[in-house]
Amino acid sequence: DAGVIQSPRHEVTEMGQEVTLRCKPISGHNSLFWYRQTMMRGLELLIYFNNNVPIDDSGMPEDRFSAKMPNASFSTLKIQPSEPRDSAVYFCASSFPQALQETQYFGPGTRLLVL
Amino acid sequence: DQQVKQNSPSLSVQEGRISILNCDYTNSMFDYFLWYKKYPAEGPTFLISISSIKDKNEDGRFTVFLNKSAKHLSLHIVPSQPGDSAVYFCAATLQGAQKLVFGQGTRLTINP
Repeated sequence: DAGVIQSPRHEVTEMGQEVTLRCKPISGHNSLFWYRQTMMRGLELLIYFNNNVPIDDSGMPEDRFSAKMPNASFSTLKIQPSEPRDSAVYFCASSFPQALQETQYFGPGTRLLVL
Repeated sequence: DQQVKQNSPSLSVQEGRISILNCDYTNSMFDYFLWYKKYPAEGPTFLISISSIKDKNEDGRFTVFLNKSAKHLSLHIVPSQPGDSAVYFCAATLQGAQKLVFGQGTRLTINP
Protein backbone atom coordinates (compact mmCIF):
# COMPACT_ATOMS: atom_id res chain seq x y z
CA ASP A 1 0.00 0.00 0.00
CA ALA A 2 1.40 3.41 -0.94
CA GLY A 3 2.46 5.71 1.84
CA VAL A 4 2.35 9.50 1.78
CA ILE A 5 3.51 10.70 -1.62
CA GLN A 6 5.29 14.01 -2.09
CA SER A 7 6.43 15.74 -5.26
CA PRO A 8 8.82 16.92 -6.37
CA ARG A 9 11.50 15.20 -4.28
CA HIS A 10 13.99 17.94 -5.08
CA GLU A 11 13.43 21.51 -6.21
CA VAL A 12 16.02 24.12 -7.09
CA THR A 13 14.74 27.58 -7.90
CA GLU A 14 15.83 31.17 -7.96
CA MET A 15 14.87 33.79 -5.45
CA GLY A 16 11.58 35.42 -6.32
CA GLN A 17 10.12 32.43 -8.12
CA GLU A 18 6.95 30.65 -7.06
CA VAL A 19 7.36 27.17 -5.61
CA THR A 20 4.58 24.61 -5.26
CA LEU A 21 5.01 21.46 -3.22
CA ARG A 22 2.50 18.65 -3.51
CA CYS A 23 1.28 15.93 -1.19
CA LYS A 24 -1.01 12.93 -1.52
CA PRO A 25 -1.95 11.53 1.91
CA ILE A 26 -2.58 7.89 2.68
CA SER A 27 -6.02 6.89 1.48
CA GLY A 28 -8.56 7.09 4.30
CA HIS A 29 -6.51 9.46 6.43
CA ASN A 30 -8.46 12.57 7.33
CA SER A 31 -5.69 14.72 8.78
CA LEU A 32 -2.79 16.23 6.89
CA PHE A 33 0.24 18.06 8.27
CA TRP A 34 2.95 20.17 6.62
CA TYR A 35 6.34 20.37 8.39
CA ARG A 36 9.61 22.11 7.60
CA GLN A 37 12.99 20.75 8.69
CA THR A 38 16.03 22.98 9.16
CA MET A 39 19.30 22.40 10.98
CA MET A 40 18.68 25.19 13.43
CA ARG A 41 15.06 24.54 14.34
CA GLY A 42 14.55 20.88 13.56
CA LEU A 43 11.04 19.88 12.51
CA GLU A 44 8.45 22.66 12.69
CA LEU A 45 4.74 22.23 12.09
CA LEU A 46 3.57 24.78 9.54
CA ILE A 47 -0.12 23.96 9.18
CA TYR A 48 -2.53 21.06 9.54
CA PHE A 49 -5.92 20.14 8.11
CA ASN A 50 -8.76 17.96 9.35
CA ASN A 51 -11.24 16.84 6.70
CA ASN A 52 -9.71 19.33 4.23
CA VAL A 53 -10.25 22.28 6.59
CA PRO A 54 -7.23 24.19 7.94
CA ILE A 55 -7.22 23.88 11.73
CA ASP A 56 -4.01 25.56 12.81
CA ASP A 57 -1.77 27.66 10.56
CA SER A 58 0.11 29.42 13.35
CA GLY A 59 3.37 27.86 12.18
CA MET A 60 3.22 29.38 8.70
CA PRO A 61 6.17 31.78 8.74
CA GLU A 62 4.87 34.58 6.53
CA ASP A 63 2.20 35.60 4.08
CA ARG A 64 4.47 34.30 1.34
CA PHE A 65 3.44 30.80 2.45
CA SER A 66 0.01 29.37 1.68
CA ALA A 67 -1.46 25.88 1.82
CA LYS A 68 -4.60 24.36 0.36
CA MET A 69 -6.37 21.05 0.52
CA PRO A 70 -9.00 21.04 -2.24
CA ASN A 71 -9.94 17.40 -1.61
CA ALA A 72 -9.13 14.48 0.67
CA SER A 73 -6.37 13.15 -1.56
CA PHE A 74 -4.35 16.25 -2.41
CA SER A 75 -2.69 19.21 -0.74
CA THR A 76 -0.30 21.94 -1.87
CA LEU A 77 2.12 24.20 -0.07
CA LYS A 78 3.00 27.29 -2.07
CA ILE A 79 5.77 29.83 -1.49
CA GLN A 80 5.50 33.06 -3.46
CA PRO A 81 7.93 34.71 -3.79
CA SER A 82 10.58 32.30 -2.58
CA GLU A 83 13.66 33.47 -0.66
CA PRO A 84 16.99 31.73 0.10
CA ARG A 85 16.00 31.35 3.77
CA ASP A 86 13.13 29.10 2.66
CA SER A 87 15.68 26.44 1.73
CA ALA A 88 14.80 23.38 3.81
CA VAL A 89 13.24 19.94 3.63
CA TYR A 90 9.46 20.06 3.64
CA PHE A 91 7.53 17.05 4.91
CA CYS A 92 3.91 16.14 4.57
CA ALA A 93 2.33 13.70 7.05
CA SER A 94 -1.13 12.21 7.38
CA SER A 95 -3.14 10.43 10.06
CA PHE A 96 -6.63 9.57 11.23
CA PRO A 97 -8.14 12.42 13.29
CA GLN A 98 -8.10 11.88 17.06
CA ALA A 99 -5.61 9.11 16.47
CA LEU A 100 -2.67 8.51 18.73
CA GLN A 101 0.06 10.95 17.88
CA GLU A 102 2.42 8.21 16.81
CA THR A 103 0.18 7.37 13.87
CA GLN A 104 1.33 10.39 11.90
CA TYR A 105 2.87 8.90 8.77
CA PHE A 106 5.45 11.05 7.03
CA GLY A 107 6.24 11.29 3.34
CA PRO A 108 9.85 11.23 2.07
CA GLY A 109 10.04 15.02 1.93
CA THR A 110 10.83 17.66 -0.70
CA ARG A 111 14.29 19.17 -0.51
CA LEU A 112 14.02 22.82 -1.58
CA LEU A 113 16.97 25.00 -2.49
CA VAL A 114 16.36 28.65 -3.27
CA LEU A 115 19.33 30.36 -4.87
CA ASP B 1 12.09 30.11 21.22
CA GLN B 2 12.52 26.39 21.16
CA GLN B 3 10.10 24.54 23.47
CA VAL B 4 11.79 21.19 22.85
CA LYS B 5 15.57 21.10 22.74
CA GLN B 6 18.06 18.45 21.77
CA ASN B 7 21.38 20.00 22.66
CA SER B 8 23.60 17.36 21.08
CA PRO B 9 23.58 17.65 17.28
CA SER B 10 25.50 14.40 16.97
CA LEU B 11 26.56 11.32 18.92
CA SER B 12 28.95 8.52 18.03
CA VAL B 13 28.75 5.16 19.81
CA GLN B 14 30.53 1.83 19.45
CA GLU B 15 28.43 -1.10 18.25
CA GLY B 16 27.14 -3.14 21.18
CA ARG B 17 27.38 -0.25 23.65
CA ILE B 18 24.55 1.87 25.03
CA SER B 19 23.38 4.97 23.15
CA ILE B 20 21.77 7.71 25.23
CA LEU B 21 19.98 10.56 23.49
CA ASN B 22 18.72 13.48 25.53
CA CYS B 23 15.87 15.94 25.20
CA ASP B 24 14.71 18.88 27.32
CA TYR B 25 11.42 20.74 27.20
CA THR B 26 10.25 24.02 28.66
CA ASN B 27 6.45 23.78 28.59
CA SER B 28 5.23 22.06 31.75
CA MET B 29 1.83 21.50 30.09
CA PHE B 30 3.28 18.84 27.78
CA ASP B 31 2.11 15.43 28.94
CA TYR B 32 2.98 13.08 26.10
CA PHE B 33 6.37 12.56 24.54
CA LEU B 34 7.57 10.70 21.47
CA TRP B 35 10.76 9.72 19.69
CA TYR B 36 10.96 9.50 15.92
CA LYS B 37 13.76 8.03 13.85
CA LYS B 38 14.77 9.34 10.44
CA TYR B 39 16.98 7.74 7.80
CA PRO B 40 18.45 9.81 4.94
CA ALA B 41 16.02 10.59 2.12
CA GLU B 42 13.11 9.23 4.16
CA GLY B 43 10.49 10.77 6.40
CA PRO B 44 10.57 10.32 10.19
CA THR B 45 8.99 7.17 11.59
CA PHE B 46 7.59 6.67 15.06
CA LEU B 47 9.84 4.79 17.48
CA ILE B 48 8.52 4.94 21.06
CA SER B 49 6.40 7.18 23.29
CA ILE B 50 5.72 7.86 26.95
CA SER B 51 2.90 9.46 28.88
CA SER B 52 3.65 11.81 31.77
CA ILE B 53 1.97 9.39 34.20
CA LYS B 54 4.94 7.05 33.68
CA ASP B 55 8.65 7.54 34.15
CA LYS B 56 9.79 4.69 31.92
CA ASN B 57 8.62 2.86 28.84
CA GLU B 58 10.45 -0.04 27.26
CA ASP B 59 10.18 -1.64 23.82
CA GLY B 60 12.82 -4.20 23.04
CA ARG B 61 16.20 -2.50 22.83
CA PHE B 62 14.63 0.95 23.24
CA THR B 63 13.74 2.56 26.57
CA VAL B 64 12.52 6.08 27.15
CA PHE B 65 12.91 7.70 30.56
CA LEU B 66 10.98 10.77 31.68
CA ASN B 67 12.00 13.10 34.52
CA LYS B 68 9.10 15.54 34.87
CA SER B 69 10.67 17.64 37.59
CA ALA B 70 13.71 18.26 35.39
CA LYS B 71 11.60 18.48 32.21
CA HIS B 72 13.96 16.00 30.67
CA LEU B 73 13.63 12.79 28.75
CA SER B 74 16.13 10.39 27.34
CA LEU B 75 16.18 7.50 24.89
CA HIS B 76 18.39 4.53 25.65
CA ILE B 77 19.32 2.01 22.97
CA VAL B 78 20.94 -1.20 24.22
CA PRO B 79 22.78 -2.78 22.56
CA SER B 80 23.41 -0.31 19.75
CA GLN B 81 23.47 -1.75 16.23
CA PRO B 82 24.73 -0.27 12.94
CA GLY B 83 21.14 -0.05 11.69
CA ASP B 84 20.41 2.38 14.52
CA SER B 85 22.49 5.03 12.75
CA ALA B 86 19.95 7.74 11.97
CA VAL B 87 18.67 11.12 13.11
CA TYR B 88 16.48 10.92 16.21
CA PHE B 89 13.84 13.53 16.93
CA CYS B 90 12.22 14.10 20.28
CA ALA B 91 8.65 15.47 20.23
CA ALA B 92 6.19 16.67 22.85
CA THR B 93 2.48 17.35 22.88
CA LEU B 94 -0.64 17.53 24.97
CA GLN B 95 -2.33 14.13 25.16
CA GLY B 96 -5.15 13.97 22.66
CA ALA B 97 -3.83 16.95 20.71
CA GLN B 98 -2.71 16.57 17.13
CA LYS B 99 0.03 19.16 17.22
CA LEU B 100 3.56 17.82 17.84
CA VAL B 101 6.47 20.06 18.86
CA PHE B 102 9.77 18.61 17.72
CA GLY B 103 13.36 19.18 18.75
CA GLN B 104 16.26 19.85 16.39
CA GLY B 105 17.29 16.20 16.14
CA THR B 106 20.43 14.27 17.09
CA ARG B 107 22.43 12.36 14.49
CA LEU B 108 23.46 9.01 15.96
CA THR B 109 26.31 7.08 14.34
CA ILE B 110 27.04 3.51 15.43
CA ASN B 111 30.59 2.49 14.66
CA PRO B 112 31.40 -1.18 13.99
